Amino acid sequence: SQTIHQWPATLVQPVGSPLSLECTVEGTSNPNLYWYRQAAGRGLQLLFYSVGIGQISSEVPQNLSASRPQDRQFILSSKKLLLSDSGFYLCAWSLTGSTEAFFGQGTRLTVV
Amino acid sequence: GIQVEQSPPDLILQEGANSTLRCNFSDSVNNLQWFHQNPWGQLINLFYIPSGTKQNGRLSATTVATERYSLLYISSSQTTDSGVYFCAVGGYQKVTFGTGTKLQVIP
Repeated sequence: SQTIHQWPATLVQPVGSPLSLECTVEGTSNPNLYWYRQAAGRGLQLLFYSVGIGQISSEVPQNLSASRPQDRQFILSSKKLLLSDSGFYLCAWSLTGSTEAFFGQGTRLTVV
Repeated sequence: GIQVEQSPPDLILQEGANSTLRCNFSDSVNNLQWFHQNPWGQLINLFYIPSGTKQNGRLSATTVATERYSLLYISSSQTTDSGVYFCAVGGYQKVTFGTGTKLQVIP
């Protein structure tokens, strides 16, 4: 069966520091991969999605970037964090050709 | 892009009560999912329901794709049902979330 791993679970970083959040999926090939952010309150905002290695689509302009160096690995990065980057970041996957999404456990990022 | 609206935004129930949550979406979609976000933030898949009706224990869901809405029914609510319920609709490659319904079930 498929599983998704996301780490770290919590992270406190100073303003201006870099960021790297990693997500990996096991048990499937060529998944669609997604990064979402949930800011204060409850809405989930799609940040990036990828349908294959090196193929990244960005939904909103921001201080973040994403990369997919391997088929089942999705990385969310920033060169310099802002206070406004604080939030709950969720990685998700779906099968090729499907948008039925399955989520990781999330990373709670606090920028101080 | 697709707009997804959920109602009500907040709901307080007495334990044992029933409730209906609604999700409206603005365009045709390939699929629709319902999630429960628990207090630790994890999103739990409840239903994958692009159309029709499904039931899982005390929960059931109905999607009427031609009329662009879905309903989530919770019967005999329990305190563990508390949290935020999201519907999410899938178009081409992307999943768009609704604004959520925050449910609190009190003993």
